[in-house]
Amino acid sequence: RKEVEQDPGPFNVPEGATVAFNCTYSNSASQSFFWYRQDCRKEPKLLMSVYSSGNEDGRFTAQLNRASQYISLLIRDSKLSDSATYLCVVLKAAGNKLTFGGGTRVLVKP
Amino acid sequence: DAGVIQSPRHEVTEMGQEVTLRCKPISGHDYLFWYRQTMMRGLELLIYFNNNVPIDDSGMPEDRFSAKMPNASFSTLKIQPSEPRDSAVYFCASSTGQGAEAFFGQGTRLTVV
Repeated sequence: RKEVEQDPGPFNVPEGATVAFNCTYSNSASQSFFWYRQDCRKEPKLLMSVYSSGNEDGRFTAQLNRASQYISLLIRDSKLSDSATYLCVVLKAAGNKLTFGGGTRVLVKP
Repeated sequence: DAGVIQSPRHEVTEMGQEVTLRCKPISGHDYLFWYRQTMMRGLELLIYFNNNVPIDDSGMPEDRFSAKMPNASFSTLKIQPSEPRDSAVYFCASSTGQGAEAFFGQGTRLTVV
């Protein structure tokens, strides 16, 4: 089983709609969680950190469920520019090893 | 700051040749990471350094791969000899500390024919 698993998608989303997807992690000792965004043929960039209490950044909401070992990302009022691959990232308590999931591809269409 | 700088951006080489990828991290960042990305395996951490010292190289595929960080502003990833299955995009990233945002370079797209 992979350490960090994501549904690869693609999620085809009408512009203006809401889309949500999850990421599961296998190591219960994981300490920190992040969502990165990667555009086609570009480098990954940090979208947002995920806090235990859940957090929002504009149209983006991230949630963490430690009991079930998953994190989620919800995008409201989707824009065409939200089309990208969203990478779930997990950091273990020891060291600084960032483990990436395979990514979830989101396609927002007019 | 110019961000993480990688060179070359593209590399095409023949099987059996030596390949050297280069990375200049963001000044002041203590951590440097080398990742490899393929369609099949996604982003895999190969090795990371803290203050120029290799901390975890468990992701390095085999002895053909080696990485060095002779100083705080430069790192290399070498593949010798290269094989077609090494074809991938290799990213270098740097960060200021544990759990801090990792800033990625634009990557080196390696094709081994």
